[in-house]
Amino acid sequence: EAGVTQFPSHSVIEKGQTVTLRCDPISGHDNLYWYRRVMGKEIKFLLHFVKESKQDESGMPNNRFLAERTGGTYSTLKVQPAELEDSGVYFCASSQDPGQRQETQYFGPGTRLLVL
Amino acid sequence: GQQLNQSPQSMFIQEGEDVSMNCTSSSIFNTWLWYKQDPGEGPVLLIALYKAGELTSNGRLTAQFGITRKDSFLNISASIPSDVGIYFCAGRDNYGQNFVFGPGTRLSVLP
Repeated sequence: EAGVTQFPSHSVIEKGQTVTLRCDPISGHDNLYWYRRVMGKEIKFLLHFVKESKQDESGMPNNRFLAERTGGTYSTLKVQPAELEDSGVYFCASSQDPGQRQETQYFGPGTRLLVL
Repeated sequence: GQQLNQSPQSMFIQEGEDVSMNCTSSSIFNTWLWYKQDPGEGPVLLIALYKAGELTSNGRLTAQFGITRKDSFLNISASIPSDVGIYFCAGRDNYGQNFVFGPGTRLSVLP
């Protein structure tokens, strides 16, 4: 069974440009999460989709970030326009039953974004 | 908001040594998770803890859910080179709530 995949693995862009990150969750997982880790700091929650609906987007930093999950399969996270402080590793994770006690979130390898 | 602290921030140990790291919170959690991130990969779940005082093992790894529910410990026995990586703790207070992650402990194992 394929795990969570993310594309691209790395992205280097200039301040003011737009970048779109993609995440393909494990097949059959309704729940998809986006996280970000800025260098040396904690992995911070950005948002949570249940199928195509945004369940919780309280972690989104500002309106330069737009996440979509049309059709409830893969998700995209667009940053427009990118700023220097957006640099970091963006992780995607998926799970089957978030309300269950023994929920397991499976992480993708991450996209390393560097904004110059 | 909720925050987790992990210590030590980084550690260098000799192959074969045992390792201890911990995670503390200012608030009570009902679930603690320990993840390991290998270089260039995403975090992988090592151990999950669901009850205060619970002690769970996974091979050479042992984790404990603190009695106060505000901390958790991870021990690695007889370290080997492939133990190198970043170890993250994560916790949440209610099922269905989002997990909060710590900043990680970076482990280096010297041959």
